[in-house]
Amino acid sequence: TQLLEQSPQFLSIQEGENLTVYCNSSSVFSSLQWYRQEPGEGPVLLVTVVTGGEVKKLKRLTFQFGDARKDSSLHITAAQPGDTGLYLCAGADYGQNFVFGPGTRLSVLP
Amino acid sequence: DTAVSQTPKYLVTQMGNDKSIKCEQNLGHDTMYWYKQDSKKFLKIMFSYNNKELIINETVPNRFSPKSPDKAHLNLHINSLELGDSAVYFCASSQAAGTETQYFGPGTRLLVL
Repeated sequence: TQLLEQSPQFLSIQEGENLTVYCNSSSVFSSLQWYRQEPGEGPVLLVTVVTGGEVKKLKRLTFQFGDARKDSSLHITAAQPGDTGLYLCAGADYGQNFVFGPGTRLSVLP
Repeated sequence: DTAVSQTPKYLVTQMGNDKSIKCEQNLGHDTMYWYKQDSKKFLKIMFSYNNKELIINETVPNRFSPKSPDKAHLNLHINSLELGDSAVYFCASSQAAGTETQYFGPGTRLLVL
């Protein structure tokens, strides 16, 4: 069973600051997804990265998949209160099974 | 219209009872899932069904039994509820099994007293 770790576990920042959260594993994934979950709701997919070294941008969010396909990062520029939520990464193995990380809980204060 | 819906949204029950959670998706997807999210927000897959057939059955107690009457529905029945079953249960669906985008329902918050 692959284990995904995420760091930091909690992050509280002021509006306008930049931040990076990390998703790490000792296993190789065929693809990796990032989700955001708001209180009382289910996770919503933000992005899927497939190629090692791939970088994808979604407005102020930048996602990177590690060259070795074992890790990923999510960078948010000029964070806003609307970015508050639980950020989950999920890795897919070559057997097409998903495993989720424990999440990073982000709080952006106005 | 809600893409993936679950009922009930909240469920409070006594230990030892049997309960069911229903899930429906109107996306025309072939694959549906059940996840459990514990108090630490760790999301763990329980079951996955593709075209009404079980394809993933993680290590969960056999008190949990999924039932898929058709492609659009995947219900979860739980027998002899225990305190440790308290969690949020999410249903999800995807076009196909594997690395496809998963669409999650709003969750069912189960509290066992």
